[in-house]
Amino acid sequence: EAGVAQSPRYKIIEKRQSVAFWCNPISGHATLYWYQQILGQGPKLLIQFQNNGVVDDSQLPKDRFSAERLKGVDSTLKIQPAKLEDSAVYLCASSRDKNTEAFFGQGTRLTVV
Amino acid sequence: GENVEQHPSTLSVQEGDSAVIKCTYSDSASNYFPWYKQELGKRPQLIIDIRSNVGEKKDQRIAVTLNKTAKHFSLHITETQPEDSAVYFCAASLNSGYSTLTFGKGTMLLVSP
Repeated sequence: EAGVAQSPRYKIIEKRQSVAFWCNPISGHATLYWYQQILGQGPKLLIQFQNNGVVDDSQLPKDRFSAERLKGVDSTLKIQPAKLEDSAVYLCASSRDKNTEAFFGQGTRLTVV
Repeated sequence: GENVEQHPSTLSVQEGDSAVIKCTYSDSASNYFPWYKQELGKRPQLIIDIRSNVGEKKDQRIAVTLNKTAKHFSLHITETQPEDSAVYFCAASLNSGYSTLTFGKGTMLLVSP
């Protein structure tokens, strides 16, 4: 089966600029996650969707980050405005449902300069 | 929320030796414990998982043990090979609604030939 697709793979922006990431989960997967992985650390959940509804966004910095999953398939994550500390790999993952294997995309490496 | 601690942060072994990575979790309601392997620049990939109704699970050279009373679980790799070199992450998932995977900070395993 096709894996989780993410784009772009790499992005370099200046601080205070905006950026958006796109994710296409595995077909049929109801649960979609966005994780932030800072260099040398484990992935940290930003937001979790079940179909097109948000079930956990407690760690999403809502003053600058936003995400949506219209129609319960693809998802976009936006940062506006970006800060230096947002430099990280943004991983999208999907799973068939809760407590089943989460499959990760290749990630988008964001560098904020 | 859940908190997952992982030790050690780095582990160096000789080829053929065994490697053990340990994790503890804080919330006794967690019931799903996956382990992910992440090679440099690549996506995390599930290598083994265990649920709270099982004490041990094996898959060839890899095994995971779970002690619910002590709230810790461990990854055991026997007969290590250079291709086992990677960062390994443990994670825990709460058994409440649409649960969220919380990751440890990772262990860099280096297997020397």
